[in-house]
Amino acid sequence: EAGVVQSPRYKIIEKKQPVAFWCNPISGHNTLYWYRQNLGQGPELLIRYENEEAVDDSQLPKDRFSAERLKGVDSTLKIQPAELGDSAVYLCASSFRNSLSAEQYFGPGTRLTVT
Amino acid sequence: SQQGEEDPQALSIQEGENATMNCSYKTSINNLQWYRQNSGRGLVHLILIRSNEREKHSGRLRVTLDTSKKSSSLLITASRAADTASYFCASSSGTSYDKVIFGPGTSLSVIP
Repeated sequence: EAGVVQSPRYKIIEKKQPVAFWCNPISGHNTLYWYRQNLGQGPELLIRYENEEAVDDSQLPKDRFSAERLKGVDSTLKIQPAELGDSAVYLCASSFRNSLSAEQYFGPGTRLTVT
Repeated sequence: SQQGEEDPQALSIQEGENATMNCSYKTSINNLQWYRQNSGRGLVHLILIRSNEREKHSGRLRVTLDTSKKSSSLLITASRAADTASYFCASSSGTSYDKVIFGPGTSLSVIP
């Protein structure tokens, strides 16, 4: 079974440019997460989807970040415009929520460098 | 802000020794999970312990949970060089939708 797929794996952009990340979760997983992980720190949740609905986006900087999950499958995370402080690894994870909490399966991440 | 804190931040041991990492959290939880992250890769789920459990085993892993102290520990026995990674605890709380918060992690180095 294929795992969570993310692309691109690496992205280098100049500040003020837009950037987008794509995630394809494990087939059948209804919950999808986007995390940001800074060097030496744990992942920080940006947004969580239950099917197509964003149920937790309290940590998403909405002035520059946006996300969508069309048809409850693939998802994209966009930053526009990017700032130097956005340099981080962006992780996508998915899970099948059949209880109060479920194991999350992570993708390899996209390493973003903003210069 | 992150709910959990792990200690130590970094740990270096010889192959064959046991490694213990601790995690503390602030609010009542539904469960606590431990994840491993190898350099440059995504996180891999190791083990989940529910709030009504006190100890759980999986292979060379042993996790304990003390809800009165709001803390958990992960013990890796007979460590191997391949165990070198960062280890994160993730606490889950909430009712309708569980909110999972990761700690800052412990970096483990196992020296061959």
